[in-house]
Amino acid sequence: KAGVTQTPRYLIKTRGQQVTLSCSPISGHRSVSWYQQTPGQGLQFLFEYFSETQRNKGNFPGRFSGRQFSNSRSEMNVSTLELGDSALYLCASSFLAGLGDEQYFGPGTRLTVT
Amino acid sequence: AQSVTQLGSHVSVSEGALVLLRCNYSSSVPPYLFWYVQYPNQGLQLLLKYTSAATLVKGINGFEAEFKKSETSFHLTKPSAHMRDAAEYFCAVSGPNTGNQFYFGTGTSLTVIP
Repeated sequence: KAGVTQTPRYLIKTRGQQVTLSCSPISGHRSVSWYQQTPGQGLQFLFEYFSETQRNKGNFPGRFSGRQFSNSRSEMNVSTLELGDSALYLCASSFLAGLGDEQYFGPGTRLTVT
Repeated sequence: AQSVTQLGSHVSVSEGALVLLRCNYSSSVPPYLFWYVQYPNQGLQLLLKYTSAATLVKGINGFEAEFKKSETSFHLTKPSAHMRDAAEYFCAVSGPNTGNQFYFGTGTSLTVIP
């Protein structure tokens, strides 16, 4: 069974631009979560989608948004990029999003904002 | 609120020595606990998880962790370190009050000295 895939793997953008990252979960998984990882802040939760609905949201500004499609694939969008948005963005999927379900992570998208 | 604390952001051990990575959780209700490993430029890989079935949990690559409710701890151990164990290790918690939202510790970087 294929793992979680994320595209693109690397991205360089200019401050003020917007960016869309894509995540394909493991087949059959319905929950997708997004995290931002930086050396200074560690892993920070962005949001979680389950059956096309945002179920949980972290403490990030409205510039960060996401959505999930009927096939469980998810996209994350960041508008008006800032230098501080440079980070590794990780996507994780889980089967039923039930209590105790583990999350499986993709390799991440490395975003650099210049 | 739930949180985890990983004591020691950097741990160095000699090859063949015991590995001990510390994790303490904060929760009023017994949570679900996880250990993940991250190799450079990769996503997170699940090592093991605790979901109340047994207090001693065995994971992949020879790692195990013991849930101690009285100490609110879930420390990760491995009897004999290998060079390939050098990586970043994250403890995470989720629980009844958070749905599938994971809270990650700040990570412990393990160095193995030959």
